[in-house]
Amino acid sequence: GAVVSQHPSWVICKSGTSVKIECRSLDFQATTMFWYRQFPKQSLMLMATSNEGSKATYEQGVEKDKFLINHASLTLSTLTVTSAHPEDSSFYICSARVGAGYRETQYFGPGTRLLVL
Amino acid sequence: GQQLNQSPQSMFIQEGEDVSMNCTSSSIFNTWLWYKQDPGEGPVLLIALYKAGELTSNGRLTAQFGITRKDSFLNISASIPSDVGIYFCAGPTRGEYGNKLVFGAGTILRVKS
Repeated sequence: GAVVSQHPSWVICKSGTSVKIECRSLDFQATTMFWYRQFPKQSLMLMATSNEGSKATYEQGVEKDKFLINHASLTLSTLTVTSAHPEDSSFYICSARVGAGYRETQYFGPGTRLLVL
Repeated sequence: GQQLNQSPQSMFIQEGEDVSMNCTSSSIFNTWLWYKQDPGEGPVLLIALYKAGELTSNGRLTAQFGITRKDSFLNISASIPSDVGIYFCAGPTRGEYGNKLVFGAGTILRVKS
């Protein structure tokens, strides 16, 4: 159980275009999902918390108009990188919260590699 | 904010050797999580620890939740080539809308066969 999928697994796009990444919880419902960004050989950097039915909360320094998040159902959150530029190239990973309180954990998707030319 | 100090930064060991890595924090954590990330993949949860002093095993992996709640370690016994990857410790910290995870910097493990 607790499987999280992401689509696409990799994407190459031209500068100025928008890219949408999907994150799905396959065998459970997730009211809260998270979006991370990871640079090579570095740890995960939390970008935003995606809450079903409400607006996402963004970490300091993350542009909400640049990285649009929609959590329209209990099994799907999407991240749209708008007007992508080469500096947006990165590995984007989502996760879903499982459990509650001190016993909660996060299960991660396989990641999406974005390359902006 | 809360930070996790993970060490060592990297390890290059011989196949069959045991491995030990740890995380420390100046703050108390109520949960410690250990993840492994293979190249080009998302992190996979290895072990979750919920109680101070708890010692939990998952196959060749053993992790402990320090009694001070400020540290945790992960041991891998008899390493094999597929143990290669990056290992992260993580713990929940209070966010504006519930808990979010803070991660250690990771331990890169390479195994020489």
